[in-house]
Amino acid sequence: DAGVIQSPRHEVTEMGQEVTLRCKPISGHNSLFWYRQTMMRGLELLIYFNNNVPIDDSGMPEDRFSAKMPNASFSTLKIQPSEPRDSAVYFCASSLGLAGGRMYFGPGTRLLVL
Amino acid sequence: KNQVEQSPQSLIILEGKNCTLQCNYTVSPFSNLRWYKQDTGRGPVSLTIMTFSENTKSNGRYTATLDADTKQSSLHITASQLSDSASYICVVSPYNQGGKLIFGQGTELSVKP
Repeated sequence: DAGVIQSPRHEVTEMGQEVTLRCKPISGHNSLFWYRQTMMRGLELLIYFNNNVPIDDSGMPEDRFSAKMPNASFSTLKIQPSEPRDSAVYFCASSLGLAGGRMYFGPGTRLLVL
Repeated sequence: KNQVEQSPQSLIILEGKNCTLQCNYTVSPFSNLRWYKQDTGRGPVSLTIMTFSENTKSNGRYTATLDADTKQSSLHITASQLSDSASYICVVSPYNQGGKLIFGQGTELSVKP
């Protein structure tokens, strides 16, 4: 298996622009997670899905952030409009089940908003 | 105060030496405790997962211990290698909160030749 796939790996954009991050989970996994990592705050859970349904989005910073999972093999995280403070590494992870399953992280998308 | 505290923040050791990383948590009750290794520029990789009833779990040269009474966990690395240089993150899964995980800030380990 190729593991969790994320694209793009790097994104540089200007403040105010829309940013879309993409994720393909491991085939057969039914849970998908979006995380953000910064030096100051470490890893933070933004939102997670179970069987394509958003379960908890309480970590989403504000309305500028939205996430979708239209099918079991694809998810997007969108930031519109982007701001410099959104600069971070965004990780997608997937697992089989929620509480006890081993979680597999993707390589991350490094976002820089100028 | 963070619910998952790790110490030390950073550690430098010589290749071949052993080391132990600490994790103290206040999350209660919890389902499991995990240790992840994160290489620079990569996503975290799971090393061990222990349920609240387990005391120890090994993965090659990595051995994790858990004391649920004192709410402490440790990760012991034996015969360190240069490739062990990474950030090690302790993660606690609260009981009955689905997929939510609480992450520590990590310990940055550097193994020198």
